[in-house]
Amino acid sequence: KAGVTQTPRYLIKTRGQQVTLSCSPISGHRSVSWYQQTPGQGLQFLFEYFSETQRNKGNFPGRFSGRQFSNSRSEMNVSTLELGDSALYLCASTKLGGTGELFFGEGSRLTVL
Amino acid sequence: SQQGEEDPQALSIQEGENATMNCSYKTSINNLQWYRQNSGRGLVHLILIRSNEREKHSGRLRVTLDTSKKSSSLLITASRAADTASYFCATDGWGAGNNRKLIWGLGTSLAVNP
Repeated sequence: KAGVTQTPRYLIKTRGQQVTLSCSPISGHRSVSWYQQTPGQGLQFLFEYFSETQRNKGNFPGRFSGRQFSNSRSEMNVSTLELGDSALYLCASTKLGGTGELFFGEGSRLTVL
Repeated sequence: SQQGEEDPQALSIQEGENATMNCSYKTSINNLQWYRQNSGRGLVHLILIRSNEREKHSGRLRVTLDTSKKSSSLLITASRAADTASYFCATDGWGAGNNRKLIWGLGTSLAVNP
């Protein structure tokens, strides 16, 4: 069974640009969550999607958005990038009705110059 | 502040020794989970303990949960160099709008020296 796949793994952008990150969950998992991880702040919850609907949202500005497609694949977008957006962005999928265990991808490392 | 807070922030031990990490939280929970993260990689689920459980084992891992003190500990016995990683606790509870959510601590960085 393939794990959670995130693309791209690494990317470099400049301030003001936008970026789109992709996440393919484990087959059969319909819930996808996104996290931002930085050394000082740890894991910060961005949002959670289930069946193409955002179920939960963290405390991030509107520049951070996401969506989920009918095949459960998810994307997140960050517009007007700032230096502080440099982070590891992690996607996790889970099986609803399961124990709540999250299965993480390897992350997308974003560097904003 | 974070619901889950691990201590110590960093721990360095010799191979073969035991490593103990603690996690404290603030509100009621459904369960508490521990994850491991190797440098720059994704997190891997280690163990989940439900709010009505007090202790759980998985291989060399032992997790305890004290809901009266709102704390949990993760013990890794007979540590190996491959255990070098960051360890995070995540509390599964209820957030605003009655939405279930996981809240993460900042992690404990464990270094196991050969």
